[in-house]
Amino acid sequence: DAGVTQSPTHLIKTRGQHVTLRCSPISGHKSVSWYQQVLGQGPQFIFQYYEKEERGRGNFPDRFSARQFPNYSSELNVNALLLGDSALYLCASSLAGVAGDTQYFGPGTRLTVL
Amino acid sequence: EDQVTQSPEALRLQEGESSSLNCSYTVSGLRGLFWYRQDPGKGPEFLFTLYSAGEEKEKERLKATLTKKESFLHITAPKPEDSATYLCAVQAYRDDKIIFGKGTRLHILP
Repeated sequence: DAGVTQSPTHLIKTRGQHVTLRCSPISGHKSVSWYQQVLGQGPQFIFQYYEKEERGRGNFPDRFSARQFPNYSSELNVNALLLGDSALYLCASSLAGVAGDTQYFGPGTRLTVL
Repeated sequence: EDQVTQSPEALRLQEGESSSLNCSYTVSGLRGLFWYRQDPGKGPEFLFTLYSAGEEKEKERLKATLTKKESFLHITAPKPEDSATYLCAVQAYRDDKIIFGKGTRLHILP
């Protein structure tokens, strides 16, 4: 079975631009979470979605937004990019998104902002 | 505030030299504690979920244990392919956020 997939693999943008990252969860999983991981740190929670509804949001500015589609895939959008947004963006899927549910991660999208 | 602290930050071992990684946590009502392995430039790979103090889980050369304040990841007779960053994360009952530690970078020398 396919695991969590993310696209694109790498992305280079300039300051002020907008970016859209995509994620497809494991088949049968209904919840998707997004994380930002900067070099040398653990992943930091951005959003969780379950059944197209936002279930949780981390401490990120409103420039970050996300949505989940009827097929449970998800997009993360970042507007007005800053140099500090350069990071590995990880998507994780889980069955139902309930507390204690194991999250399985995709390979990530490496975003570089110049 | 919920917090996860992993130690040591980095660890170098000879092949076959067993050791333990520590994950200390403070959280109001632990719902689950997770261990992941992460190779450079890749997404974290799930290893274990622990739910209650006293619980233990094993997989090949790895064994994870949980107390009310910390978790240990024991590595027995490690091989060079066990070299990676090991991440610990916790989730509280009150919300669905998962909080990660900074990880322990493990390097096994042949």
